[in-house]
Amino acid sequence: DGGITQSPKYLFRKEGQNVTLSCEQNLNHDAMYWYRQDPGQGLRLIYYSQIVNDFQKGDIAEGYSVSREKKESFPLTVTSAQKNPTAFYLCASSNARATGGQAGELFFGEGSRLTVL
Amino acid sequence: QQQVKQSPQSLIVQKGGISIINCAYENTAFDYFPWYQQFPGKGPALLIAIRPDVSEKKEGRFTISFNKSAKQFSLHIMDSQPGDSATYFCAANRSFQKLVFGTGTRLLVSP
Repeated sequence: DGGITQSPKYLFRKEGQNVTLSCEQNLNHDAMYWYRQDPGQGLRLIYYSQIVNDFQKGDIAEGYSVSREKKESFPLTVTSAQKNPTAFYLCASSNARATGGQAGELFFGEGSRLTVL
Repeated sequence: QQQVKQSPQSLIVQKGGISIINCAYENTAFDYFPWYQQFPGKGPALLIAIRPDVSEKKEGRFTISFNKSAKQFSLHIMDSQPGDSATYFCAANRSFQKLVFGTGTRLLVSP
């Protein structure tokens, strides 16, 4: 089945540690995104990538890093510089070359819940 | 200008009732307005979307109403069911630009 796979589903981190969240898609989509979800704050964009080997900061990029070495993969590293990393992280993809209304359709993974101990 | 304001933050509706969630935007360049549905512990999924050349779009029990002059759009869920209990996000963008999301509405449909 085509879709987006995020792992791990749950992750615990000690303060001062970096952790990497995995995101893989087999939809052949060009664009991939990372969102952070906190209660009452909706979905906030961390980083996005519209093409391999290129990515842009979103609205809350501080304390995070990404890479896009393959079209299928867009891992997110939560660094020790992120002051409040406990959150639900969502990866998404879209077909950036689609036309019309489908240009905005995002396909989301099931998320990774990170808890800092 | 990039914000999408969503209300209410939470909503309780009796089974069989109508659920209404509202969103407002400022950027008149937006040309795509989707609604996403998210169940607990899952990622959001596209529910229904509209473009500004129509004032209403209906898919089953779900309807988007769009008021271009007021820069507002809303989601109506007719005959609401307990299975509709979820968080709903409105969003907007220009073609090929990143989506801007509202802050979400947690809907609870009581049996």
